[in-house]
Amino acid sequence: DGGITQSPKYLFRKEGQNVTLSCEQNLNHDAMYWYRQDPGQGLRLIYYSQIVNDFQKGDIAEGYSVSREKKESFPLTVTSAQKNPTAFYLCASHGDTQYFGPGTRLTVL
Amino acid sequence: AQSVTQPDIHITVSEGASLELRCNYSYGATPYLFWYVQSPGQGLQLLLKYFSGDTLVQGIKGFEAEFKRSQSSFNLRKPSVHWSDAAEYFCAVRAAGNKLTFGGGTRVLVKP
Repeated sequence: DGGITQSPKYLFRKEGQNVTLSCEQNLNHDAMYWYRQDPGQGLRLIYYSQIVNDFQKGDIAEGYSVSREKKESFPLTVTSAQKNPTAFYLCASHGDTQYFGPGTRLTVL
Repeated sequence: AQSVTQPDIHITVSEGASLELRCNYSYGATPYLFWYVQSPGQGLQLLLKYFSGDTLVQGIKGFEAEFKRSQSSFNLRKPSVHWSDAAEYFCAVRAAGNKLTFGGGTRVLVKP
């Protein structure tokens, strides 16, 4: 069954800790994306990758990092430099259009 | 730079009534436009898309949208709303690099 998986669904971390969110796709898509969603603000692009071993900053990349070592995987690290990390994070991949994973809700305590 | 505006933050509609969600975009070239739906705590599901051709596009779950270039609009409609249509709806425009720019979303509440 093809799709995008994100894990975990809920994540709690203490302030000052780095945390990595997982995103895996088996759709054989080259391009992958990370978005952040806050109430009433829609989705904002954090990072995207058009191909393996390459990625670009989106509109709100500060405090985040990514890697793209495999076509199927595009993990996002929320670093301690991100001032307001509590949010809902969505991963997507692009074929004829963008398909989204189920999301990870990160809460920093 | 491209932008998308969804003027209505919340809409309340009675079950069985019609629904129209507004979307206005700003983009220099021919736009590729999308509507997505999101249930609480879930990812986004594509309802429909417009790339070219017929300006009235049909989507899943009985939704349709009409592209009007003169008004820079791509409004979403459904003739008869079901309680399961309660969700948040996002309009988006695709720019270079297949990046999507999203509107702020419209939350739909369905009254019984």
